Amino acid sequence: NAGVTQTPKFQVLKTGQSMTLQCAQDMNHEYMSWYRQDPGMGLRLIHYSVGAGITDQGEVPNGYNVSRSTTEDFPLRLLSAAPSQTSVYFCASSRIGTEQGAHEQYFGPGTRLTVT
Amino acid sequence: GENVEQHPSTLSVQEGDSAVIKCTYSDSASNYFPWYKQELGKRPQLIIDIRSNVGEKKDQRIAVTLNKTAKHFSLHITETQPEDSAVYFCAARTLYGNNRLAFGKGNQVVVIP
Repeated sequence: NAGVTQTPKFQVLKTGQSMTLQCAQDMNHEYMSWYRQDPGMGLRLIHYSVGAGITDQGEVPNGYNVSRSTTEDFPLRLLSAAPSQTSVYFCASSRIGTEQGAHEQYFGPGTRLTVT
Repeated sequence: GENVEQHPSTLSVQEGDSAVIKCTYSDSASNYFPWYKQELGKRPQLIIDIRSNVGEKKDQRIAVTLNKTAKHFSLHITETQPEDSAVYFCAARTLYGNNRLAFGKGNQVVVIP
């Protein structure tokens, strides 16, 4: 298994440009999510999905769109890049939890994005 | 929503000593508490987790304790080694949040040889 993969590893954008960060997993996980990591801020949830066709907002969704057309893929779109979106982006996946317990989230290697 | 706080933000320990990181959470409905380790330039990886029906869990040199009444949980690392140097994140999942996790801001642990 490749686990969770992300492309690209590095990206530089100019303000106003748009782009899509790719995320894929081969573990048949229902749950997928996107986080951004900034110094001193920890991991903040952008968007998440509990299955194909179902997405929801996290704590910092503004400026980002997601879709989930298949179980495997969960792309993150930056509509009009801003310098405030300079960050490291992690995708993660896991099996769906239940009331009795949750399952480990597996993280991708990350995408380092710089917006100038 | 759930709010998770970690203390201290940075912790330096001598090799061989123990390290303890504490986290507090706000939502009494939270029932799952994982700890992730992130080495420099790498992805976060799960090192241990605990569910709300358990007070303590151990895995070799690491252990996690949970106090539901006080709403805090702690990571204990014994006999620290240089490879334990990393950022450690705690997180909490609420009962009705599927797998949605709220993360703390992280603790930088430095093990001094």
